[in-house]
Formats: sequence, C-alpha cells, structure tokens
Amino acid sequence: GAGVSQSPSNKVTEKGKDVELRCDPISGHTALYWYRQSLGQGLEFLIYFQGNSAPDKSGLPSDRFSAERTGGSVSTLTIQRTQQEDSAVYLCASNPQSGPNSPLHFGNGTRLTVT
Amino acid sequence: DQQVKQNSPSLSVQEGRISILNCDYTNSMFDYFLWYKKYPAEGPTFLISISSIKDKNEDGRFTVFLNKSAKHLSLHIVPSQPGDSAVYFCAASAMYSGYALNFGKGTSLLVTP
Repeated sequence: GAGVSQSPSNKVTEKGKDVELRCDPISGHTALYWYRQSLGQGLEFLIYFQGNSAPDKSGLPSDRFSAERTGGSVSTLTIQRTQQEDSAVYLCASNPQSGPNSPLHFGNGTRLTVT
Repeated sequence: DQQVKQNSPSLSVQEGRISILNCDYTNSMFDYFLWYKKYPAEGPTFLISISSIKDKNEDGRFTVFLNKSAKHLSLHIVPSQPGDSAVYFCAASAMYSGYALNFGKGTSLLVTP
C-alpha cells in the first residue's frame, strides 16, 4: 500500500517568499505530525494533528509557520516570508492513532532551500 | 533544549561484530522510547521500541536496553551487517505530551565488510 507522500520533494525559494509543503498521510491514519531536520540536527517537532485539530502547536518556531489539515487527511505546512534559517528537510509522519504503541510512518520529506 | 542526546555522531564497526548505539535523556516523564533508522533521501523507519516498565526488548538482531535510573538507553545490533549502515535516531515520548516524539541528533553507523 501507499506510504506517506510528501510534495514537492525539493523546493528552492528566494528569501521573503511564501512556501507551501504538502503531506498525504496513509489512508485511515488519524494522527499526523510535522518535523524538520536542519543540517547536523535531530528531528525537531513542529506540530501534531489528531483528525483536523492541532492539540499541540508548541513546536512551531515562529508565527510565520502555520499548518492545517482538512478532511482528516491531507495537511499543508505554510511558511511565510521565508528566511535562510528555514532551510531544512521537512518530514511528515502519520499513525493510526496517537499513542506509544503506534510508531510513526514517515514520508521521504521535502528539502527546502532558501536562497 | 535537547531532551534526548546522542553524543556519538558516528560509529564504525566491522561486519559481524556488535554495534552499540547510546542515547541519554533528561526528562523523567518520558515513558516510551524508540529507535528509528534513516537512509539518505528517505524518511526514518521504525526499528524497535521499549516501554519504561521494561529494561530490555529484543527483535532478531536488535536489542534495546533501558536503564531508567541512569536515564540511558542503548541499541545493540548483533551481528552487524553492511546493510545496517544508516543514521540511527533515538526518540522518547511521554503521555502528557500526547506521545509526540522527541528525537536525538542521530548516530551515523558504518558497517565495513
């Protein structure tokens, strides 16, 4: 079956432009997570959705970052007025339900480069 | 602040030998721990996990050990194979935060023939 799908796989943008990253979770997975990995860093938690609601937005680095999820499925992460420090690999993950016994299934990520 | 720490950025092991990857954590509320494996240009994939009520979990060549008093866990791979070469991420989670995963920075394992 299809795994978590992310698009685009690569995105190069100019500083100050807005970008939208898309995540298609595994069908039926109710929980969806966004992480990012900057160069030489671990995976940094950004936001988590249970269905369409986001109980935990604590990881969003600034108000330039926002995310939404519609229909309990596709999610978009939007970064406004991109800065060079936003350059990273943005990873999306899903699981059937939040909880310890439900390991995350990750997509291959979107590599964002802000020039 | 980094609540999950992997202090060895890289490790090189000969094929057939044991690989030991270490991880330390600071948050005593963490009650579930996982290891993920990541190949270049791919997302991390789940490898093995352990609940805080256990001190060992084994799955084939992979064993995870948890020492709660020391806030330390380790992943043992025996015997190591060249296909095990990847970046290994330690992760921890807690019920109070909805089990969102806190990841370490990863250890790059190279298994040489």
